[in-house]
Amino acid sequence: DIQMTQSPSTLSASVGDRVTITCRASQSISGWLAWYQQKPGKAPKLLIYKASSLQSGVPSRFSGSGSGTEFTLTISSLQPDDFATYYCQQYNPYPWTFGQGTKVEIK
Amino acid sequence: EVQLVESGGGLVQPGGSLRLSCAASGFTFSSYWMTWVRQAPGKGLEWVANIKQDGSEKYYVDSAKGRFTISKDNAKNSLFLQMNNLRPEDTAVYYCARAGAAIDYWGQGTLVTVSS
Repeated sequence: DIQMTQSPSTLSASVGDRVTITCRASQSISGWLAWYQQKPGKAPKLLIYKASSLQSGVPSRFSGSGSGTEFTLTISSLQPDDFATYYCQQYNPYPWTFGQGTKVEIK
Repeated sequence: EVQLVESGGGLVQPGGSLRLSCAASGFTFSSYWMTWVRQAPGKGLEWVANIKQDGSEKYYVDSAKGRFTISKDNAKNSLFLQMNNLRPEDTAVYYCARAGAAIDYWGQGTLVTVSS
């Protein structure tokens, strides 16, 4: 199975900060990488698919990049609504696997 | 508007069975792969199973193989997860979701608790 490792596990940041989260795959997944945002008690929400494609309705301050085994999610200017936990996920091949999550906290 | 509404969760004893259902609306259900993802209390996300549009292909995480069965009824726009021989480690919120561009729409989840 492909292991997905996110860093950092927790990130403290202020409104307006540029934030970057890294996700590494244990083997190449080409561009089959998605990013999700989850708030407490809520279902996850898709932000980015195919490594860099922005899901419809997601603010443009979110962007994704990378291919192969290393990927990043960037929030260009952190907003109050962005404090949440973020997960990466590879979806080719099976079994699909998620990273352990990165919690973005208020500094 | 895409809607996915799960039901069927609850408290079950170890070794017991439960059948989760998911009612889908707002999209052409028969045109999409569907998926179940779970999240243990305070933990991360774990993919459980996928089913192809016509039900002809199914994939499972190793821990679910032989115990869980994913199915769908396109005529009733419904997705199911039959869970047998449940273990305490199966305790989680189970999300029904659409596998379009990655996992693009999620239900609100239903809690399954396996405990004596």
